[in-house]
Order: sequence, then C-alpha cells, then structure tokens
Amino acid sequence: DVKVTQSSRYLVKRTGEKVFLECVQDMDHENMFWYRQDPGLGLRLIYFSYDVKMKEKGDIPEGYSVSREKKERFSLILESASTNQTSMYLCASSLGYGTDTQYFGPGTRLTVL
Amino acid sequence: AQTVTQSQPEMSVQEAETVTLSCTYDTSESNYYLFWYKQPPSRQMILVIRQEAYKQQNATENRFSVNFQKAAKSFSLKISDSQLGDTAMYFCAFMKHAMGSGYALNFGKGTSLLVTP
Repeated sequence: DVKVTQSSRYLVKRTGEKVFLECVQDMDHENMFWYRQDPGLGLRLIYFSYDVKMKEKGDIPEGYSVSREKKERFSLILESASTNQTSMYLCASSLGYGTDTQYFGPGTRLTVL
Repeated sequence: AQTVTQSQPEMSVQEAETVTLSCTYDTSESNYYLFWYKQPPSRQMILVIRQEAYKQQNATENRFSVNFQKAAKSFSLKISDSQLGDTAMYFCAFMKHAMGSGYALNFGKGTSLLVTP
C-alpha cells in the first residue's frame, strides 16, 4: 500500500514564526502536492513538484514556499506565519504520468496564534 | 480554468438506503479525468472512484457507482446499501489529461454525508 506521512497531526505556532511542514511518501512517486483545506472552500492547491528540485505554483502560493531535495520528501514552508494561514494542510503524491491517482497523507492541522 | 460544483453541502441517508451526490464541472477540455474522494472524520482522504472522460461506460466500485453525463458535464456518485462507515465528506475532483508532469486536482467544496441508523 502507498503510504504518505506528514510530520505532525497538530501544530501550534505564533505569528511571524517560520514553519516547516514535512511530507514523506514511500512508493517512489514522481509527483507530490500540497493542498490547503478550509471549510466551505474545499481543497486548494498551494504548490506541486513533478521531480526532485522541480516545483510549480498552484492556485494560492502566496506566503508559502516548498523544497524537494529528495524524491520521497516534499516540504512546505511558511516563511512568516500569519493567522490567515491557520488551516488543514494535506500532502499528496502520485506515480507520475499526469492523470494517475493521488494518494493523500493524514493532514496537519496548523493553528497560528 | 476548470471549476467543480457540488451543490449539496450536507446530506443525510438511512442505513441500507441509496443516496446520490451531485457534481457538475465546467471545462473546455475534451479529455480529462474525474474522481470522487472520501474524507472520513479521521481525515485521511481516500479515492472512491475514478472515471476517464473518453470512456462511455460508467465506473463502478462495489457499492459505489457514477452517472457520468459528458454532454451535461455532470458526474454524480451513487452509494447503494449505505453503511455507517460511509459517513464522511465527499469531494468531487477534476483533472485534465496531460502528458509529462503531473497535474493537480481541482476540487469541489465537498458534500458532508451522514448515514444514520
């Protein structure tokens, strides 16, 4: 079975802190994604990566950056956390041929105070 | 840009009954993929069913089936013999066909389904 893990289920940070959210997949997938989930808004794409060191902006990249130094790991970085970044963050991965199924991690509930 | 609309924010169904969740989408693409994902209260999102737009036959997975109407851009999910474990948020999602790099999903806002005893 594909396993996508995220470093924390719950995280509380203060405004202005630099925040790292980590995602690891164990199936040698090419593509990895970061989504943000908010009630009434569904899931919105922040960034995705289709190869090591490659990244593309999604729909809402402002205030975020990403890093993919190794194939299995994709990090989401909040350079200076703000209260409007309080949300659920979901990581996903897919094998790598465009339209294949995405597998999701359990999510990280981030609260910024 | 593709948009996905789920017009039912909340639904309720009794155990063993059948329920249909609606989804419409807007696209100018001719080749694409549609998905239904389920997110139970534990929060792990899992794939329920997938449909390729070029296939006329509706996809089925055990108690889950879809009614795909390409001309109407409609993609509804039917759950037969509903079970308590089907209680979850259900998301409809669209992905356009693409060669090469992976493409992300466009999600609807979700339908919260409650199955009652």
